[in-house]
Amino acid sequence: GENVEQHPSTLSVQEGDSAVIKCTYSDSASNYFPWYKQELGKGPQLIIDIRSNVGEKKDQRIAVTLNKTAKHFSLHITETQPEDSAVYFCAASRAGGTSYGKLTFGQGTILTVHP
Amino acid sequence: ETGVTQTPRHLVMGMTNKKSLKCEQHLGHNAMYWYKQSAKKPLELMFVYNFKEQTENNSVPSRFSPECPNSSHLFLHLHTLQPEDSALYLCASSQEEGGEQFFGPGTRLTVL
Repeated sequence: GENVEQHPSTLSVQEGDSAVIKCTYSDSASNYFPWYKQELGKGPQLIIDIRSNVGEKKDQRIAVTLNKTAKHFSLHITETQPEDSAVYFCAASRAGGTSYGKLTFGQGTILTVHP
Repeated sequence: ETGVTQTPRHLVMGMTNKKSLKCEQHLGHNAMYWYKQSAKKPLELMFVYNFKEQTENNSVPSRFSPECPNSSHLFLHLHTLQPEDSALYLCASSQEEGGEQFFGPGTRLTVL
């Protein structure tokens, strides 16, 4: 089955700096890579995702890059703000066709943005 | 608001108790999921239902019993749990073909 490794487990940055979280996956057939943000007391919320037919996707201060050959993908947050502080999870799945998208999650990264 | 609600939000139970967790989604999705989230571990998929039919049981002990009466509701019945079952239990839903899952806020379960 799929195995997803996520690093670092904790990340501390100053407000305004950039933050990068990296994940690797094992199943070359995986084609859908979402990133979730989980704030204290809440369930994970999808913040951005990427499919294997593109190499990069941006949404304002958030971007995700995918390297299919190396089987790794990364989350980039620019101009970080204190409200970006949360736990971030990457995930991978085979989506589409008859699949309902079983996600395999990484271990999570605790991001702390200091004012 | 994600459109996925869970009740109760917090639950404390003894090892001999029987309780149930409830999940409801208002998104018109066809697939629903139960996950277990323990400290310092990845989210663990427990069960998957697609069009009310269970399609995945990820080697979950029988003391956890899921029920999906319709595509909008999902239950997790609990009995004779162990302290190591204490965790945050998350429900999610998605469209049949998609990988985009929407999560509820979770139920924080403590087993004494």
